[in-house]
Amino acid sequence: GIQVEQSPPDLILQEGANSTLRCNFSDSVNNLQWFHQNPWGQLINLFYIPSGTKQNGRLSATTVATERYSLLYISSSQTTDSGVYFCAVEKDSSYKLIFGSGTRLLVRP
Amino acid sequence: DAGVTQSPTHLIKTRGQHVTLRCSPISGHKSVSWYQQVLGQGPQFIFQYYEKEERGRGNFPDRFSARQFPNYSSELNVNALLLGDSALYLCASSFLGVYRRNEQFFGPGTRLTVL
Repeated sequence: GIQVEQSPPDLILQEGANSTLRCNFSDSVNNLQWFHQNPWGQLINLFYIPSGTKQNGRLSATTVATERYSLLYISSSQTTDSGVYFCAVEKDSSYKLIFGSGTRLLVRP
Repeated sequence: DAGVTQSPTHLIKTRGQHVTLRCSPISGHKSVSWYQQVLGQGPQFIFQYYEKEERGRGNFPDRFSARQFPNYSSELNVNALLLGDSALYLCASSFLGVYRRNEQFFGPGTRLTVL
């Protein structure tokens, strides 16, 4: 089956710093989503981005489908950005999302 | 607008018991998916239902079953509970539609503890 790898696994930032999270996938996909899981377990949608570039405030994402990777950029990080960031993909319209193992982000004040 | 809702929030069961988890999708969404998230890992796909039919099934034993009702809400049932079934159970809904955009939106989850 398709493999989804996220890096780095852990990241510690000082408030105000910028960061880039990466998601590599082993096969072509028709769906790619980025999520933020808060400390209470809620998965919050960040981007639906099977290809191209999108921006939402301090966050932006780029997916290069032909090279099988996606990047999530966080600028001017805040303590509320702490949590786990997941990339998830869907292959061949299979209906199921395959999640990576996540990047655990801690932003210190 | 209400998001995806799940009940109960927390549940404690003992080994061998049965559990039913419930999910209501976002209004207008006809697809519901279920995921299991064990501590420290990403969510694992269990089922997806669309228009009341099972469209996808993950690698879970037959003790896990689900169904979708005419109002598109869904139930996940787990029989003969094992300690390893302790996890956060997440429900997601998506619209799909003509262009089959499977953007999934998640509920707050049900945290199941099996003793």
